[in-house]
Amino acid sequence: DADVTQTPRNRITKTGKRIMLECSQTKGHDRMYWYRQDPGLGLRLIYYSFDVKDINKGEISDGYSVSRQAQAKFSLSLESAIPNQTALYFCATSGWQGNTGELFFGEGSRLTVL
Amino acid sequence: KQEVTQIPAALSVPEGENLVLNCSFTDSAIYNLQWFRQDPGKGLTSLLLIQSSQREQTSGRLNASLDKSSGRSTLYIAASQPGDSATYLCAVEETSGSRLTFGEGTQLTVNP
Repeated sequence: DADVTQTPRNRITKTGKRIMLECSQTKGHDRMYWYRQDPGLGLRLIYYSFDVKDINKGEISDGYSVSRQAQAKFSLSLESAIPNQTALYFCATSGWQGNTGELFFGEGSRLTVL
Repeated sequence: KQEVTQIPAALSVPEGENLVLNCSFTDSAIYNLQWFRQDPGKGLTSLLLIQSSQREQTSGRLNASLDKSSGRSTLYIAASQPGDSATYLCAVEETSGSRLTFGEGTQLTVNP
């Protein structure tokens, strides 16, 4: 089983729909992140969380919200999806044991908003 | 604002060749730098992490160097193989420890 699991892996939805992307991890890490990847723009940070009670906006948080339900779970919501939110979304974790700061990524969730 | 640039954007080499991928960053006040590999449609896999106090890290055929003062890092791949074909991304973590800034990657193709 993957250390960082994202669901769904693929989703097609319509403009205005509410979408939730879920992430769970078995690495025991405190820090979790949501990124989106777009051709020509690279990876950009949406939100990050250093523990269950800590949520921080990244560089492109508008139109998104997150919930850290437990240490192992971090979900990303699009309250009203729009076409320019079509992208590949990645969840990542990092911890502070041993090799500090190393990021571990999930396989990605491809979202298409029509 | 930190900016990370990777050159070249794409590289095609014959199998067996040694090669260097470049990464430059504008703000030298970094906490660490990571190199990742991404296969098409997949997530990123961490290859090497260099702390700001380190000059290089090695893993198998990979060697990453860091020169903070000049804002540069290189990823050296020895004896390249077709299985090395992927996109390679570098990312820097700022001193605040909260954000990684990614480059857009170098797409590497190793031809048999």
